[in-house]
Amino acid sequence: AQSVTQPDIHITVSEGASLELRCNYSYGATPYLFWYVQSPGQGLQLLLKYFSGDTLVQGIKGFEAEFKRSQSSFNLRKPSVHWSDAAEYFCAVGNNAGNMLTFGGGTRLMVKP
Amino acid sequence: GAVVSQHPSRVICKSGTSVKIECRSLDFQATTMFWYRQFPKQSLMLMATSNEGSKATYEQGVEKDKFLINHASLTLSTLTVTSAHPEDSSFYICSAIFLPKGQGRGGYTFGSGTRLTVV
Repeated sequence: AQSVTQPDIHITVSEGASLELRCNYSYGATPYLFWYVQSPGQGLQLLLKYFSGDTLVQGIKGFEAEFKRSQSSFNLRKPSVHWSDAAEYFCAVGNNAGNMLTFGGGTRLMVKP
Repeated sequence: GAVVSQHPSRVICKSGTSVKIECRSLDFQATTMFWYRQFPKQSLMLMATSNEGSKATYEQGVEKDKFLINHASLTLSTLTVTSAHPEDSSFYICSAIFLPKGQGRGGYTFGSGTRLTVV
């Protein structure tokens, strides 16, 4: 069965600092990996996704993520965080049939001025 | 493109009544839609997968008679919470798979969610 772990429940960074959100997955084959962001009371917005090819994926809002098969990780990064990035971030893995997503527990990002 | 419109965004209902939540794919055909439930400060838990024209597939522990899903067309799926109780209060989100026109893979797009409060 596929699973996703986000080890950090809460992270606080200063505005302008760099950010890395961790995501580890368990999946038997090549995973389809996603990062979503959710603002309070809102739905989910896709930041980026990885299906195949270049393991460094660029997304919206200046985010990027790197797929590392050897570490079963898909960590999300941003070089300089803005106050508007404060939100909940979810990593997810999809199965190869493309018909289901399994989410990690989420990481709540807080940004200090 | 690939927008899913979910309504209502918020609903408050009395215990014992039923509530219908709609999800529409606006610019693509969604043969498969997913319904998730999210408790406060928790992750999304898949409730069921609905396929156009067939019965929904429910995850273990989800009461299919309580959470009725209908996917009668390629652009509309509905979730009806029947005989709602306060413990059904939650944030419900739908999702659909979209396939791009031309090359490249699609992905999952989400509705904006429905906050259900049962009083």
